[in-house]
Amino acid sequence: AQSVTQPDIHITVSEGASLELRCNYSYGATPYLFWYVQSPGQGLQLLLKYFSGDTLVQGIKGFEAEFKRSQSSFNLRKPSVHWSDAAEYFCAVGAISGYSTLTFGKGTMLLVSP
Amino acid sequence: SQTIHQWPATLVQPVGSPLSLECTVEGTSNPNLYWYRQAAGRGLQLLFYSVGIGQISSEVPQNLSASRPQDRQFILSSKKLLLSDSGFYLCAWSTLAGGRNEQFFGPGTRLTVL
Repeated sequence: AQSVTQPDIHITVSEGASLELRCNYSYGATPYLFWYVQSPGQGLQLLLKYFSGDTLVQGIKGFEAEFKRSQSSFNLRKPSVHWSDAAEYFCAVGAISGYSTLTFGKGTMLLVSP
Repeated sequence: SQTIHQWPATLVQPVGSPLSLECTVEGTSNPNLYWYRQAAGRGLQLLFYSVGIGQISSEVPQNLSASRPQDRQFILSSKKLLLSDSGFYLCAWSTLAGGRNEQFFGPGTRLTVL
């Protein structure tokens, strides 16, 4: 069965500092990986996705993520955090082709301190 | 471009009352549709998904049901609400066009059962 682990429930980062949110997955085939962001009371917005090719993918809002097959990880990074990045972040995994549902992690809440 | 709508945005209902939440998608044909529930600290729980009109798959047995009367309409219902049904309900769509499988989320409905 597929699963996603986001080991950090909360993370606090100072504005301007770098950010890394961890995501580990378990999947029986080549995975299709996603990061979503959710502001309070809002739906989820897709930040970036990976399904093949370059293992470092760029997303919106200055975010990037690196796929490491050997570590079953897909960590999200940003070099300099802005106060507006405070939100909850979800990692998800699914099948590359054909129909499948996505499995989401439980999320990491990012707090940005001044 | 595609858009997804959910209504109502917020809802307060007494225990034992019925429920109907609606989701519609514009700008795409034959989407896969999903209902998720999000409770605090528990991430996203997939409730139902649909690959076509009248085709509903249930992921979690409970007192909720879903229907898809039209290609781009997805309805979540209950005959009698429980306190445990409170939460944030998200609708999402995806398409296999181009081999992609990412999901796009609506703005959500906040349901409070008293």
